[in-house]
Amino acid sequence: DIQMTQSPSSLSASVGDRVTITCQASQDISNYLNWYQQKPGKAPKLLIYDASNLETGVPSRFSGSGSGTDFTFTISSLQPEDIATYYCQQYDNLRITFGQGTRLEIK
Amino acid sequence: QVQLVESGGGVVQPGGSLRLSCAASGFTFSSYGMHWVRQAPGKGLEWVAFIRYDGSNKYYADSVKGRFTISRDNSKNTLYLQMNSLRAEDTAVYYCAKDTVGELSLCDYWGQGTLVTVSS
Repeated sequence: DIQMTQSPSSLSASVGDRVTITCQASQDISNYLNWYQQKPGKAPKLLIYDASNLETGVPSRFSGSGSGTDFTFTISSLQPEDIATYYCQQYDNLRITFGQGTRLEIK
Repeated sequence: QVQLVESGGGVVQPGGSLRLSCAASGFTFSSYGMHWVRQAPGKGLEWVAFIRYDGSNKYYADSVKGRFTISRDNSKNTLYLQMNSLRAEDTAVYYCAKDTVGELSLCDYWGQGTLVTVSS
């Protein structure tokens, strides 16, 4: 099975900061990597698909990059409404695997 | 707009059974694969199962294989999850989610979730 290692597990940053989260796959997954945002008490929301494509309606301050085993998710300028937990997710032929999540807080 | 509404959650004893439903609307249900994803209290997301758009292929997480069965009724626009031999570690909010295609890839729309509590 493909394992996803996401880091950091938690992060505290100030409004306006650039925030970066990484996700590493245990084997090459090409660009089959997606990013979700989950606010407390809510369902997850798709932000980035296929490593770098912004889902319709998602603000452009969110971006993703990477391929193979190493991926990065970036918020260019942190806003108060971005407080949430973020998850990476990979898919192969038979299953989906999520990263452990990164809890983002305002400093 | 896409809507997914889960139901059927509740409290069940260890070893018991429960069937979850997910009513879909706002899209052509029979054209898309569907997932169940769960989240234990205070924990991360765990993918549970997937069913192909036509029901011909089903995939499961190892943690539920042999105990849970995913199915769909395209005439009723409804997804199901039959959960048998439930354990305390199955306690979670269960979300249904729509895939972007007919095969397994990613979840672009999610329901609000239904809570399953396994406890004596």
